[in-house]
Amino acid sequence: EVQLVESGGVLVQPGGSLRLSCAASGFTFSNYWMNWARQVPGKGLEWVANIKYDGSQKYYVDSVKGRFTISRDNAKNSLSLQMSSLRDDDTAIYYCGRSNDHSTTDWGQGTLVTVSS
Amino acid sequence: DVVMTQSPLSLPVTLGQPASISCRSSQSLAYSDGNNYLSWFQQRPGQSPRRLIYKVSYRDSGVPDRFSGSGSGTDFTLEISRVEAEDIGVYYCMQGTHWPYSFGQGTKLEIK
Repeated sequence: EVQLVESGGVLVQPGGSLRLSCAASGFTFSNYWMNWARQVPGKGLEWVANIKYDGSQKYYVDSVKGRFTISRDNAKNSLSLQMSSLRDDDTAIYYCGRSNDHSTTDWGQGTLVTVSS
Repeated sequence: DVVMTQSPLSLPVTLGQPASISCRSSQSLAYSDGNNYLSWFQQRPGQSPRRLIYKVSYRDSGVPDRFSGSGSGTDFTLEISRVEAEDIGVYYCMQGTHWPYSFGQGTKLEIK
């Protein structure tokens, strides 16, 4: 069974930094693209970033370029999202996802990031 | 960036009746390999999204056959042949052809 478990979401001040993690199990992690998406509670979904199975390609939505970095550790079956220069509008539930066929096949339960002073 | 536009945004449906959601993209979703990378997701209240359909019309494992997808280019449709109570939630289309990937605004399906 595929499991994706996010962690690291907390309350952080504007301008601060935060690192989210996603622990993957139940599949061969190094064979799959992975992604992060986010959702303001009660609102719609937004794609945040993708990373290729070997980490050689990364893509970001414009609103996070230069501030967020997606990375992975295939030896530890782990996906990360390093977030810096956080803004109020980064407040959201962040989901880790396994990608296949240019889409997300499986999602984690999400971790809430709140940016507020 | 590709903008995905869904309609309607709210869809009241009687149990047992059909439902249809439209999704239009601002650019063609035809990829170089011939596929249109358009997916549909269901998000029930309090849950993470769940993929129902990928590559326009392929149902994911475990998805009831009352769900079907169609379309190509810029116009796509999700159809539910007979709505059941468990179908309540928000439905999103998503394009995976152009970076960055993008979602529609969501369509809230509710029972009349």
